Amino acid sequence: EVQLVESGGALVQPGGSLRLSCAASAFSFSNSWMHWVRQAPGKGLVWVSTINTDGTTTRYVDSVKGRFTISRDNVKNTVYLQMNSLGVEDTALYYCARDRGWHAFHVWGQGTMVTVSS
Amino acid sequence: DVVVTQTPLSLSVTPGQPASISCKSTQSLLHRDGKTYLHWFLQRPGQTPQLLIFEVSSRFSGVPDRFSGSGSGTDFTLKISRVEAEDVGIYYCLQGIHLPITFGQGTRLEIK
Repeated sequence: EVQLVESGGALVQPGGSLRLSCAASAFSFSNSWMHWVRQAPGKGLVWVSTINTDGTTTRYVDSVKGRFTISRDNVKNTVYLQMNSLGVEDTALYYCARDRGWHAFHVWGQGTMVTVSS
Repeated sequence: DVVVTQTPLSLSVTPGQPASISCKSTQSLLHRDGKTYLHWFLQRPGQTPQLLIFEVSSRFSGVPDRFSGSGSGTDFTLKISRVEAEDVGIYYCLQGIHLPITFGQGTRLEIK
């Protein structure tokens, strides 16, 4: 079964750091662009970041540029999101997603919750 | 940034009746390859989002044919021909061509 499993979410203080992981299985991970999408409590979906197949191209929403870094390990079939200088506005459920092309996200993980609070 | 605006933000529909959601973008979503990268998702209560329609009008695998998408350029519509109880949730459109990628605000569908 095609699956994405996120982990790493936690309660962290403002200014802190966290690394999210997303483990993929049952599909050709190394040939797939991967993405992070977040959803603040009771709010809508927001695209956060994208990485291409070999990790040489990365993209970010402006609100996280310079603070978040997406990366991947095609041996471990895992995509990461390193999040630094976290603020309360980063509190959200973070989903990992795979697309079938041009951000048509057809596989989603269950999400991992990041709470930034003092 | 390309702004994607959905209307209405909520709708209440009697089972068996049709429903329609509009999605308008501030820039054309037509790529030079001839395809238009506007997609629709449904997030059922307490669940992860799921892809319904990609590239304006193509139903994703397993999506019932009562769901259809149409439109071009900047104006798009998702239609449900006969709403069923399982269609409850929040519908989002997404433009997948211009960075940053942007979702609409979401349209909440409830059953009367």
